[in-house]
Amino acid sequence: EAGVAQSPRYKIIEKRQSVAFWCNPISGHATLYWYQQILGQGPKLLIQFQNNGVVDDSQLPKDRFSAERLKGVDSTLKIQPAKLEDSAVYLCASSATGYEQYFGPGTRLTVT
Amino acid sequence: QKEVEQDPGPLSVPEGAIVSLNCTYSNSAFQYFMWYRQYSRKGPELLMYTYSSGNKEDGRFTAQVDKSSKYISLFIRDSQPSDSATYLCAIRHGTSYGKLTFGQGTILTVHP
Repeated sequence: EAGVAQSPRYKIIEKRQSVAFWCNPISGHATLYWYQQILGQGPKLLIQFQNNGVVDDSQLPKDRFSAERLKGVDSTLKIQPAKLEDSAVYLCASSATGYEQYFGPGTRLTVT
Repeated sequence: QKEVEQDPGPLSVPEGAIVSLNCTYSNSAFQYFMWYRQYSRKGPELLMYTYSSGNKEDGRFTAQVDKSSKYISLFIRDSQPSDSATYLCAIRHGTSYGKLTFGQGTILTVHP
């Protein structure tokens, strides 16, 4: 079974630029999550989708971050404009049950 | 007060040692308890998952939950250099779409 796929793996941008990350979950997993992991910290949930509907986006900085999951399969997370403090690893995870979550390798973002 | 507190370490042990990793949590609504392992530049990988007080064993790994004290532990027996990674505790609310709240992670190094 293929795991969660993410791209790109690495991205370097200047502050105030925009960036987008892509995630393809495990086939059949209805729930998709985006996490932000700052160096030395545990992942923090940004947004959770159930199929193509948003379940929880309480910690998503909505003035600059947006996410969508069209057709209930893959998803994109966008940052516009980026700030220095957005430098982090952005992890996508999926789940069939809403309990066990399976993570992708992450996208490492550096904002200069 | 953070919802989940984890001793950040780092922890350095010789091969064959017993390792104890610990987390405390503050919210009694948390009902599901997980341990993830994260190798450098990889996404977290689910190790153990439990929802009841007591012990759950899987090979060299034992997860322990004490709901009365709001304390969870992961024990690694006969530790190996391949166990060197960051270990993250993650706790979930009991609601249908309850999000995971992660500890900050403990960095473990097992020396040959």
